[in-house]
Amino acid sequence: DAGVIQSPRHEVTEMGQEVTLRCKPISGHNSLFWYRQTMMRGLELLIYFNNNVPIDDSGMPEDRFSAKMPNASFSTLKIQPSEPRDSAVYFCASSFAGIDGYTFGSGTRLTVV
Amino acid sequence: AQKVTQAQTEISVVEKEDVTLDCVYETRDTTYYLFWYKQPPSGELVFLIRRNSFDEQNEISGRYSWNFQKSTSSFNFTITASQVVDSAVYFCALSEAGNQGGKLIFGQGTELSVKP
Repeated sequence: DAGVIQSPRHEVTEMGQEVTLRCKPISGHNSLFWYRQTMMRGLELLIYFNNNVPIDDSGMPEDRFSAKMPNASFSTLKIQPSEPRDSAVYFCASSFAGIDGYTFGSGTRLTVV
Repeated sequence: AQKVTQAQTEISVVEKEDVTLDCVYETRDTTYYLFWYKQPPSGELVFLIRRNSFDEQNEISGRYSWNFQKSTSSFNFTITASQVVDSAVYFCALSEAGNQGGKLIFGQGTELSVKP
């Protein structure tokens, strides 16, 4: 298996633009997680899905952030409009039933200028 | 609510020293899972170990060992005879089995620097 695949690896965008981050979980995993990592706040859970259904989105910072999981093999995290304070590394992770090892993607480094 | 505390922000040791990274957790669940992840300078998150709340046996894997003590809610990680390649940020994490899907909550991380 290729592991959790995230794209793009790096994204530089201007303030106000829409940004879409993509994630392909490991085949057979039924839980998917979006995390954000910053120096100030560490690794924060933004949202997670179980069987494609959002279970907890309490970590989503504000309405500018939205996430979808249209099927078991794909998820997106969208920021519209983006702001400089959204600059961070965004990780996607997947797991089977949430109790097995959680596998992380390589992350997307987002820079909003 | 679940919480993970890694009180040591940074640790610096000289190669071949032993080093212990502390992790204290809080949870109301009786069934939960504890994890350690390594984040080297390249940035990826590498899974090291998972331990469930019913298994308090210590675990050893090469130079790595883990001490799980429910009485003190701690899950400490020791590296024996540290090497420069061990330099990384190490995260302790907790997942409560009662949560549907089991969200994973991380501590703030401990940055380990091993100097030659």
